[in-house]
Amino acid sequence: GNSVTQMEGPVTLSEEAFLTINCTYTATGYPSLFWYVQYPGEGLQLLLKATKADDKGSNKGFEATYRKETTSFHLEKGSVQVSDSAVYFCALSGSSNTGKLIFGQGTTLQVKP
Amino acid sequence: DVKVTQSSRYLVKRTGEKVFLECVQDMDHENMFWYRQDPGLGLRLIYFSYDVKMKEKGDIPEGYSVSREKKERFSLILESASTNQTSMYLCATGRSRMNTEAFFGQGTRLTVV
Repeated sequence: GNSVTQMEGPVTLSEEAFLTINCTYTATGYPSLFWYVQYPGEGLQLLLKATKADDKGSNKGFEATYRKETTSFHLEKGSVQVSDSAVYFCALSGSSNTGKLIFGQGTTLQVKP
Repeated sequence: DVKVTQSSRYLVKRTGEKVFLECVQDMDHENMFWYRQDPGLGLRLIYFSYDVKMKEKGDIPEGYSVSREKKERFSLILESASTNQTSMYLCATGRSRMNTEAFFGQGTRLTVV
């Protein structure tokens, strides 16, 4: 079945460091891919998405490219800030048009000043 | 702005109690979902609904039921709460089966003692 695997956290970085959070997936067909972010005490909010191979999603300085050949959707940011401290979830939608999302286990990012 | 409201941020219930978690949306979305979030496990789908009075089981429906009498409201019911149901519960909505972007409520942290 479909699944998402994220790198284990927590990830601890200094402010202005480069961020990569790895995400790989297993899916049949052509899923859409998402990154969601959860700030402390809040629900999840969409950070970025990509709906087909080679698409790049971007938002707030974060980027991720849909790589079908490596089944990956790694999240990157060139210079993190303390305010980026949060839990990041990679997710995919099945191609069966159900509207359901399958989530990875989440990666906690802590950015220190 | 999209708004998904969960009735409580924190709940403490006793083992064996019947527990209701309420979720209300104001976007006229067709899809509504209940997830539970546990450390290291990410989000797991409990139940979802595509329309009023329709419901489908997710990946972990045991011990839960749902009700959707009106389009804007989706209730999660724990028939007889147990300590292993202590978790963060997240409600989400989606426009339709064809659109997989999900909008989340702020979550309900349930503790069963």
